[in-house]
Amino acid sequence: GENVEQHPSTLSVQEGDSAVIKCTYSDSASNYFPWYKQELGKRPQLIIDIRSNVGEKKDQRIAVTLNKTAKHFSLHITETQPEDSAVYFCAAILGYSSASKIIFGSGTRLSIRP
Amino acid sequence: DVKVTQSSRYLVKRTGEKVFLECVQDMDHENMFWYRQDPGLGLRLIYFSYDVKMKEKGDIPEGYSVSREKKERFSLILESASTNQTSMYLCASSLPIGRGEQFFGPGTRLTVL
Repeated sequence: GENVEQHPSTLSVQEGDSAVIKCTYSDSASNYFPWYKQELGKRPQLIIDIRSNVGEKKDQRIAVTLNKTAKHFSLHITETQPEDSAVYFCAAILGYSSASKIIFGSGTRLSIRP
Repeated sequence: DVKVTQSSRYLVKRTGEKVFLECVQDMDHENMFWYRQDPGLGLRLIYFSYDVKMKEKGDIPEGYSVSREKKERFSLILESASTNQTSMYLCASSLPIGRGEQFFGPGTRLTVL
C-alpha cells in the first residue's frame, strides 16, 4: 500500500537560516501533497500544498518542490523565525475518489535556535 | 471559520470500558476522519467516512469502530478499551479528498488505566 517516509525526524537550525524537510512516497499515482504544521499543544493546520501537475509552489518564506520521477517532495523554509518551531507533517493522497486515503509522514520536529 | 469540535479534551478510562469519542463539524464537509497521534509515529488513520453511514478502514482499525448517522457528526468507539489505546485522538473533516485541506479538531487525550 501507499507509504510516506519523512526525514529528518528532528531538525535544529539557527534563526535566519533555511530548513529543508524531505518526504518520499511509494505510489507513483499519488497526485496531491499537503504539508501541515502543528505547534505545541495545538491542532495541525495546512500551510502549503502541491498537486502533481506542478513542480514548485511558493508562499512567502515557505516553498514546496515535487519531483515525480524520484517520487519525493520537500518543504523549504527560508529566513527561519522562532514561530517556525513546530512539528511538520507531509502527506500524500492517491486519486480523487471519495474513498481515497491520505497518508501522513511520521513528522519532523523543527527547532529554531535564537 | 471552519469549526471542528471534539467532545472531550482529556479522558481517563479503565481497561475494558466502552469509550465514545465524538466529533462535530459545522462546514457541511463530506469527509470526516479519525487519527491517533503517538510520538514518533505521526498521524495514523483509524477510520474515515465520505458520506453518512459510509465508512472505510484506515491503517489501524483494529480495536475501533465508527458511526456516522448524521453528516456533521462522526463518532469513534472503543468497544473494550485497552492500555495500548492510550493516545491523542484527532478528528478532522474536509471537502471530498484531494480538493482541499483537512480541518482538525483540538484532540482528545485518552488515558486507559
